[in-house]
Amino acid sequence: QQQVKQSPQSLIVQKGGISIINCAYENTAFDYFPWYQQFPGKGPALLIAIRPDVSEKKEGRFTISFNKSAKQFSLHIMDSQPGDSATYFCAANRGADGLTFGKGTHLIIQP
Amino acid sequence: DGGITQSPKYLFRKEGQNVTLSCEQNLNHDAMYWYRQDPGQGLRLIYYSQIVNDFQKGDIAEGYSVSREKKESFPLTVTSAQKNPTAFYLCASSIAGGSGEQFFGPGTRLTVL
Repeated sequence: QQQVKQSPQSLIVQKGGISIINCAYENTAFDYFPWYQQFPGKGPALLIAIRPDVSEKKEGRFTISFNKSAKQFSLHIMDSQPGDSATYFCAANRGADGLTFGKGTHLIIQP
Repeated sequence: DGGITQSPKYLFRKEGQNVTLSCEQNLNHDAMYWYRQDPGQGLRLIYYSQIVNDFQKGDIAEGYSVSREKKESFPLTVTSAQKNPTAFYLCASSIAGGSGEQFFGPGTRLTVL
């Protein structure tokens, strides 16, 4: 049973455009929602995270939008750059339990 | 330099052999985790430990074993009972009972020949 569903599987965006990746979760006990960025052959790196008591969090060009009633959250990358080309994972957990990950989105930013 | 180290980076194993993957952290984190990554599958939790000498099974623990004798170390053994062990293995750590933020190591790619 997949508890975090991520879409799209792959995404191509022109340089300077907005990249949008969506996730939906099922477990209402989740209280922490991070996004990770992973380059080929490397471990994932935390990009940005949100808790369900806020609806939006912005860090530089990266924004998380959170809709608690719909149990959905999304990552927006503004002014997308070729260096943003990577695989992005949404995740969720409760406390110090292990993270439940989405299956990932392979993002390509075309110059 | 604070961080998580995993060794080796690449590991080859013959069928029927057990193999142990190393994970060490100097972040003074109480909690440590092991994930398995397969193409198109995201990361799946194998085992986690919130304190020394204690650990819990994750979603796909069958065929794996762990130990947590020291705070800094959380080795993972892939046993011969694991039917499809070829994968990318990732170790992570976090502050126990904290924000949930987990820091990942560089990974070990295991290939069964």
